[in-house]
Amino acid sequence: DIQMTQSPSSLSAFVGDRVTITCRASQRISNYLNWYQQKPGRAPTLLIYRASRLHSGVASRFSGSGSGTHFTLTISSLQPEDFATYYCHQSYTTPRTFGQGTKVEI
Amino acid sequence: QVQLLQSGTEVKRPGASVRVSCKTSGYTFINFGLNWVRQAPEQGLEWVGWISPYTGDTDYAQSVQGRVTLTTDTATSTAYMDLRSLRSDDTALYYCARTNGNDHAFDVWGQGTMVTVSS
Repeated sequence: DIQMTQSPSSLSAFVGDRVTITCRASQRISNYLNWYQQKPGRAPTLLIYRASRLHSGVASRFSGSGSGTHFTLTISSLQPEDFATYYCHQSYTTPRTFGQGTKVEI
Repeated sequence: QVQLLQSGTEVKRPGASVRVSCKTSGYTFINFGLNWVRQAPEQGLEWVGWISPYTGDTDYAQSVQGRVTLTTDTATSTAYMDLRSLRSDDTALYYCARTNGNDHAFDVWGQGTMVTVSS
């Protein structure tokens, strides 16, 4: 199975900060890397797919980059509604696997 | 709009079985695969399996292989997850999630169904 490792596991930030979350795959996955946001008590929502493509309706302050084994999610200017947990997810092969999550908090 | 509506909370004894349903609307059911993902309390996301409503093909995680069956009813655009021989570590929030074509990302999610396994 492909292991997905996110860093950091949690971070504290202020509104307006630039935030970067890293995800590493245990083997090459091309650009089959997706990012989700999950707020407490809610289902995850898709932010970015294929490493860098913004899902419909997602704010442009979110961006993704990377290929192979190293990927990043960047929030250019953190907003109050962005405090949540973020997961990376590889869709290169099955079993599909997720990172352990990064909690973004104040 | 595209919606996935799941069945309600379940409480089961160890060794029992559970069926969770996922009724879809707002799109052509057979054109998109459906995944099941679970989340144990205060834990991360774990993929359970996938089904193609068009072909009936399935793929399952090793952790549930042999105990899980995914099916679909194309007449009602509904997907089902049957999980047998329940254990305490099956306690989780179970989500269905649509696959967005060849990118295989999960673009629409159900609201989740809590399954609690307890004696």
